[in-house]
Amino acid sequence: EPEVTQTPSHQVTQMGQEVILRCVPISNHLYFYWYRQILGQKVEFLVSFYNNEISEKSEIFDDQFSVERPDGSNFTLKIRSTKLEDSAMYFCASSRTGHTGELFFGEGSRLTVL
Amino acid sequence: AQSVTQLGSHVSVSEGALVLLRCNYSSSVPPYLFWYVQYPNQGLQLLLKYTTGATLVKGINGFEAEFKKSETSFHLTKPSAHMSDAAEYFCAVIKNTGNQFYFGTGTSLTVIP
Repeated sequence: EPEVTQTPSHQVTQMGQEVILRCVPISNHLYFYWYRQILGQKVEFLVSFYNNEISEKSEIFDDQFSVERPDGSNFTLKIRSTKLEDSAMYFCASSRTGHTGELFFGEGSRLTVL
Repeated sequence: AQSVTQLGSHVSVSEGALVLLRCNYSSSVPPYLFWYVQYPNQGLQLLLKYTTGATLVKGINGFEAEFKKSETSFHLTKPSAHMSDAAEYFCAVIKNTGNQFYFGTGTSLTVIP
């Protein structure tokens, strides 16, 4: 069964360092998303991506964040200069049809900023 | 603005008992509603969704939910809990013209043998 895969599963980094989280969405999906979940809090929307551009982003997704689909298969989230409060589980998701369809989530990448 | 409230961050039921997980939403336009489940160390998996049509929707693993517009609710139920149902459950809403899911804070379900 096709699935969304994310790497790394866990990354520890120093404050101020750049981090890239990688995702491979399901191959025939057209809509891509990043969500995050700070420990004990709700799952929060970061950004959606369609047709090689950002379609929506939340207020969390400031200039420190960027997304890219560099090669037609990977979908990456970059945090330019990490802060302590960026520590969270980051989930990638993809969908074939957008909001009317099912979001398929990866298992998440846990980011710990020290 | 869209938002989701899940009453009860932790729910415990006995094996074989009814499961009821509550979800209320607020939406400025007709919403689409979803329940996702997260098993330990795994991603979120869709249980069921309501978009249009029949207000009682059935999902995987014997779960179902009913969209009640008058109560702005979308509670998740299962007649008989199984040990394998122990997980975190998230209600989510999206407006039918948008692309952004809003998740509730989640309800952790414990099933007692």
